[in-house]
Amino acid sequence: GQQVQQSPSSLVLQEGENAELQCNFSSTATQLQWFYQSPGGSLVSLLSNPSGTKHTGRLTSTTVTKERRSSLHISSSQTTDSGTYLCAIDTGYQNFYFGKGTSLTVIP
Amino acid sequence: EAAVTQSPRNKVAVTGGKVTLSCNQTNNHNNMYWYRQDTGHGLRLIHYSYGAGSTEKGDIPDGYKASRPSQENFSLILELATPSQTSVYFCASGEGQNTGQLYFGEGSKLTVL
Repeated sequence: GQQVQQSPSSLVLQEGENAELQCNFSSTATQLQWFYQSPGGSLVSLLSNPSGTKHTGRLTSTTVTKERRSSLHISSSQTTDSGTYLCAIDTGYQNFYFGKGTSLTVIP
Repeated sequence: EAAVTQSPRNKVAVTGGKVTLSCNQTNNHNNMYWYRQDTGHGLRLIHYSYGAGSTEKGDIPDGYKASRPSQENFSLILELATPSQTSVYFCASGEGQNTGQLYFGEGSKLTVL
């Protein structure tokens, strides 16, 4: 299968701090999507960003296609941001391959 | 808003029994997917479909069959369930383009005893 690696595997922040999550992949991606998963919950799409920089709310994603990496920046973290963040890529065959995720805990 | 619904949400089965997990999407998406999620492995693709009548093998298809009788419905079938198939299963639908996104169902927790 395709390789999608996320780092760090876990992260603990104080409320108000910023988070930087990384996603590296071994194949060219025609699509890249960031998801949020609450504990025991389903996956919710946060951002679709195959290249360049995209913003939505407190989230910023930057994908450098040639370097096969993407980042997700969460500004001013809140306790409700706690959960797992997953990166997924499509290599052009309309199949998404997932990383194992970054578990984020935000402490009040 | 994309809508993908799975049933059952929870299932307990016995080893050797048959299990069918169902998925329905109301988005008219061409593509549908079945993933399983396990601690330490993340999400892994089992089967997928490009449209009604089509099924394709993903990365871990052994022990699973899939059926796509219509645009809206995609089923995952375990003919002879084993304890190693205990997992949380997610169905997703996608727009089927290079820029398409995935939309997930709520998940089905399967326990095989």
